[in-house]
Amino acid sequence: DAGVIQSPRHEVTEMGQEVTLRCKPISGHDYLFWYRQTMMRGLELLIYFNNNVPIDDSGMPEDRFSAKMPNASFSTLKIQPSEPRDSAVYFCASSPPQGSTGELFFGEGSRLTVL
Amino acid sequence: AQSVAQPEDQVNVAEGNPLTVKCTYSVSGNPYLFWYVQYPNRGLQFLLKYITGDNLVKGSYGFEAEFNKSQTSFHLKKPSALVSDSALYFCAVRSGGYQKVTFGIGTKLQVIP
Repeated sequence: DAGVIQSPRHEVTEMGQEVTLRCKPISGHDYLFWYRQTMMRGLELLIYFNNNVPIDDSGMPEDRFSAKMPNASFSTLKIQPSEPRDSAVYFCASSPPQGSTGELFFGEGSRLTVL
Repeated sequence: AQSVAQPEDQVNVAEGNPLTVKCTYSVSGNPYLFWYVQYPNRGLQFLLKYITGDNLVKGSYGFEAEFNKSQTSFHLKKPSALVSDSALYFCAVRSGGYQKVTFGIGTKLQVIP
């Protein structure tokens, strides 16, 4: 299996622009998570899905952030409009169905820089 | 609410010496505990987990961890450190039956040749 695939790996944009990050989970995994990593806050869970349905979005910072999972093999995290404080590495992770022991499989991350 | 504490920002150890990276947790119900490693500019990689059973669990690359329920700890250990073990290590917890995983802030391990 190719693992969790994220794109783009790097994104540099200007304040106010829309940013879309993409994720393809491992086939057969029905949980998908979006995390944000910064030096100050470490790893923060933004949102997670089960069977394409958002379960907990309490970590989404504000209305500028939105996430979708239109099917089992694709998810997006969108920031509109972007701000410099959104600069971070965004990770997508997936895990097998409930009943497994639930370790997460991470993608390589998308490093976002907002100027 | 569940939480993880990694009290050390950085751990330095000489190559060949044993290493310990500390972790304590707080969770309602039975804990599922994990250790992950992150190399520079990479995603996190799973190392090992405790779900139930033997308190000493073994994982990848010669790492092991000891679950201590009374101290709510799950320290990561390795008998003999390698320079290639230098990385950022994360402890994580979730409550059984609940899929949300909470990570600690991470501990940077530096193995000195």
